[in-house]
Amino acid sequence: NAGVTQTPKFQVLKTGQSMTLQCAQDMNHNSMYWYRQDPGMGLRLIYYSASEGTTDKGEVPNGYNVSRLNKREFSLRLESAAPSQTSVYFCASSGLAGTNTGELFFGEGSRLTVL
Amino acid sequence: AQKVTQAQTEISVVEKEDVTLDCVYETRDTTYYLFWYKQPPSGELVFLIRRNSFDEQNEISGRYSWNFQKSTSSFNFTITASQVVDSAVYFCALPVYGQNFVFGPGTRLSVLP
Repeated sequence: NAGVTQTPKFQVLKTGQSMTLQCAQDMNHNSMYWYRQDPGMGLRLIYYSASEGTTDKGEVPNGYNVSRLNKREFSLRLESAAPSQTSVYFCASSGLAGTNTGELFFGEGSRLTVL
Repeated sequence: AQKVTQAQTEISVVEKEDVTLDCVYETRDTTYYLFWYKQPPSGELVFLIRRNSFDEQNEISGRYSWNFQKSTSSFNFTITASQVVDSAVYFCALPVYGQNFVFGPGTRLSVLP
């Protein structure tokens, strides 16, 4: 079982470049999330999607856009990368629609470096 | 404010020692869930446990146990007879408004052979 798959796993960008992180889940989950992880700060929510066709901002949305392409896929786009966006990005999904009381299933993470 | 504190940044123990990871939370909610996740050196985050605030009974799963005390707003995690494979960063998490969770900063556990 693949679970949550995100690509790429590693990426180096120059300031101002754009890129899209892809995420797909095969568990038929309704809710999907993008988090970033920075040293000593735990995980912070960038955007989430409670169901297909809806997206909402999280704690740190500035500089990012998302698309819930269908129930399986949720992509994160950096339009003009900045060094402050150097981080490890995690996609996650949850099976309990409309709530945040279910456990999160995470992808393996994508390490992004912006020079 | 909803907040999770994990005061222990790093802990080192020798294999077979018991170790407790602390989690203290703040919430306005009267009912809530709490979670623990493990992040091994490979990097992925793995769900360990979810507890409902209604249930303050200790939870035991093999070498892992969790002590939930509403009176002190704590949800501590104990590993008995630690093993090298327990080396990881452990996160405590609390659901907050909307669809979000707030995560603690994590505790890095190193189990030495």
